[in-house]
Amino acid sequence: AQSVTQLGSHVSVSEGALVLLRCNYSSSVPPYLFWYVQYPNQGLQLLLKYTSAATLVKGINGFEAEFKKSETSFHLTKPSAHMSDAAEYFCAVSARTGFQKLVFGTGTRLLVSP
Amino acid sequence: SQTIHQWPATLVQPVGSPLSLECTVEGTSNPNLYWYRQAAGRGLQLLFYSVGIGQISSEVPQNLSASRPQDRQFILSSKKLLLSDSGFYLCACMRANTGELFFGEGSRLTVL
Repeated sequence: AQSVTQLGSHVSVSEGALVLLRCNYSSSVPPYLFWYVQYPNQGLQLLLKYTSAATLVKGINGFEAEFKKSETSFHLTKPSAHMSDAAEYFCAVSARTGFQKLVFGTGTRLLVSP
Repeated sequence: SQTIHQWPATLVQPVGSPLSLECTVEGTSNPNLYWYRQAAGRGLQLLFYSVGIGQISSEVPQNLSASRPQDRQFILSSKKLLLSDSGFYLCACMRANTGELFFGEGSRLTVL
């Protein structure tokens, strides 16, 4: 079974500041890990994914995440926040083998102030 | 590439009324399809998934049902809505062999 914990339901940063959104996972089998972004009243869009290749994964819009097996973490970072980054971010995990179902965290809302 | 259409986009229904939300997928065949519900502050909850026509698996007991009458059509239904059925319903399609989900734009249901 898989589960995801996202620390902090809300994160506030200033424009230009570092963005760090935390995600810890639990999985009994080797996982795939994902970060999705959701803008108001829209579906989810994939930011990036870890599928067992490089542990540092680069995604769209300048975001990246590092898979750390020893810490069971997959934190999302961006060096410099932009106003357009304000959205809700979801971390998700699935098994690499067998039937794949994504299990999502409860989400973190990123607020960016000028 | 895959495109997912959901309708209606918004819906306001009285308690006890029926529900039908429709999802269709373009650009792929024999996809795995999923219905998620998003309630405020609770993330995304997987409701149903389907690996083929007529094959439905339910993740949680509830007042809803799902059907897959065609390969690229996935329908979420209820005979009698409850207040607790309010939420944002998302249909998703899994990209083969990647574990990656593509989402539709969602249907917002308000039950009064």
